[in-house]
Amino acid sequence: AQSVTQPDIHITVSEGASLELRCNYSYGATPYLFWYVQSPGQGLQLLLKYFSGDTLVQGIKGFEAEFKRSQSSFNLRKPSVHWSDAAEYFCAVVFAMDTGRRALTFGSGTRLQVQP
Amino acid sequence: EAGVTQFPSHSVIEKGQTVTLRCDPISGHDNLYWYRRVMGKEIKFLLHFVKESKQDESGMPNNRFLAERTGGTYSTLKVQPAELEDSGVYFCASSQARQGLSIETQYFGPGTRLLVL
Repeated sequence: AQSVTQPDIHITVSEGASLELRCNYSYGATPYLFWYVQSPGQGLQLLLKYFSGDTLVQGIKGFEAEFKRSQSSFNLRKPSVHWSDAAEYFCAVVFAMDTGRRALTFGSGTRLQVQP
Repeated sequence: EAGVTQFPSHSVIEKGQTVTLRCDPISGHDNLYWYRRVMGKEIKFLLHFVKESKQDESGMPNNRFLAERTGGTYSTLKVQPAELEDSGVYFCASSQARQGLSIETQYFGPGTRLLVL
């Protein structure tokens, strides 16, 4: 079955440290991949997306993600975390483009805490 | 440009009552989606409108949920009668019309937090 997995429910990093949030998917073809962030009291904001082409994509707020087909992964990274990055991060995928379904399938989310 | 707006931001109702959630998409966006996040679970798709038509309602949990998008603008999601397990955050998202084979970015509203007691 098609699924999205974010293995880390909660991550704590120190301000200025690097960050990597993991995302894996289960699907027989290449899906369309997204990372969203939800800050407290806010809606979901798109950080970046991958459809095709260069497997390293740049997003807003200094985030980047790399698509690795061999590992079915789309991990999110940031070289230096700021206190304002504390939020919940969601990996989301569109499967089955061939059927016209455009619904996002979400991972369970990773809550990021940033220590001063 | 205004983003996706949702009303109310919070709703507390008793089991058996009816609640109607509203979503106003970004102006000009033909696609409108409803999702929800039940406590402790992942965000799940409910349904997808293209203009006023239901394109995909495979995620609707049961017939207590009714979504409408009259005139292809705003949408409402009615829960009648509400049950305890309906508690959660209901998100609306919108996107522009499909351009060829591309995937449109979905822009999300802040969500409506529903608590059924």
